[in-house]
Amino acid sequence: QLQLQESGPGLVKPSETLSLTCTVSGGSISSTNYHWAWIRQAPGKGLEWIGSIYYSGNTYYNPSLKSRVTISVDTSKNQFSLRLSSVTAADTAVYYCARHDSAGIDYWGQGTLVTFSS
Amino acid sequence: QTVVTQEPSFSVSPGGTVTLTCGLSSGSVSTSSYPSWYQQTPGQAPRTLIYSTNTRSSGVPDRFSGSILGNKAALTITGAQAEDESDYYCVLRLGSGIWVFGGGTKLTVL
Repeated sequence: QLQLQESGPGLVKPSETLSLTCTVSGGSISSTNYHWAWIRQAPGKGLEWIGSIYYSGNTYYNPSLKSRVTISVDTSKNQFSLRLSSVTAADTAVYYCARHDSAGIDYWGQGTLVTFSS
Repeated sequence: QTVVTQEPSFSVSPGGTVTLTCGLSSGSVSTSSYPSWYQQTPGQAPRTLIYSTNTRSSGVPDRFSGSILGNKAALTITGAQAEDESDYYCVLRLGSGIWVFGGGTKLTVL
């Protein structure tokens, strides 16, 4: 059974860079046909797709976040990562990692809450 | 910027049928948008219900079904149960690897 687990600091200071890692177990991040995504959900709000990466390194980003987002993959560790720069309180959210193919998302991580403190 | 639209809220009686929709602020939803649907209860990660318009994810009861109705994607729950009270989100693939979620529908079963 594939499992995804987010990890990273739960508290970030405004204007700094948020960094999260998703560790994939029970399957290979190098599987063909699958992309690996970051999705977030602000408190009381809906889901927002941040971006996706293929194991080869090809990336796709939400246009509204593209200038601040970098998603990378480390196939040797079976992990992929999110970096979001110049964060503000508006970036407070539960951040989920997920796997998807062209048809939709099939596996989700449990999510990790990231909040901001001065 | 393209917006994916969903009804903010809906209610259904136990045993009843409800259809939630997923549209585009401009244009029509088709199978080539690969609409998929997700259920989320408070404090939990989303659960995949339907992908590629109408394919149920493993373990999803057959009272959940997906389709295209007119120019929108639709999620129909036939014989709603109390446990179906949740938030429901659709997501569309809008080309160039871009995915956009709808704002979600809060479903009440009462």
